[in-house]
Amino acid sequence: AQSVTQPDIHITVSEGASLELRCNYSYGATPYLFWYVQSPGQGLQLLLKYFSGDTLVQGIKGFEAEFKRSQSSFNLRKPSVHWSDAAEYFCAVAAGGSGNTGKLIFGQGTTLQVKP
Amino acid sequence: DTAVSQTPKYLVTQMGNDKSIKCEQNLGHDTMYWYKQDSKKFLKIMFSYNNKELIINETVPNRFSPKSPDKAHLNLHINSLELGDSAVYFCASTSRGRETQYFGPGTRLLVL
Repeated sequence: AQSVTQPDIHITVSEGASLELRCNYSYGATPYLFWYVQSPGQGLQLLLKYFSGDTLVQGIKGFEAEFKRSQSSFNLRKPSVHWSDAAEYFCAVAAGGSGNTGKLIFGQGTTLQVKP
Repeated sequence: DTAVSQTPKYLVTQMGNDKSIKCEQNLGHDTMYWYKQDSKKFLKIMFSYNNKELIINETVPNRFSPKSPDKAHLNLHINSLELGDSAVYFCASTSRGRETQYFGPGTRLLVL
């Protein structure tokens, strides 16, 4: 069965510092991988996605993520965090290719707090 | 120019009541979803419709009944509301390839 693990429930970083949020997935075939961000009281916004090709993907707001098949990971990174990045971050996986129903399996989320 | 909209945004009701949440998308998508986000912020899919046909039906109490009158709308009706139904319900939609889902703002349901 598909599953997603975000090992860090809560992360605090200083403004301007670099950020890495971890995501590990379990899926037998080719996965589609996503990172979503949820600001307080808001819906989910797609930051970036990986379907195939270049394993380093660029997203909005200066975020990037790297797909590492050997480690079943899809970690999210940002070189310099801004106070406005404080939010909840969700990693998600969906079945890729012809088996794709669009069903997203989400991780537990990581709460990012940014210190001034 | 809202892409995926939900009404109402907030819903406070008593146990045992029946309520509906509406979702509309103007993106021309043919597949729509309902997700539930619990108090621990865990997101889980509930249902999915493609061209008004149910394609995903997770283990959800049959008190929950989705209805899709057309491709642009997917409503969620909940009978006999229980305390445990309190959550944020998100609607989402995607196009034919089902690769990227666009989420609505959520409906915050509180059952007293």
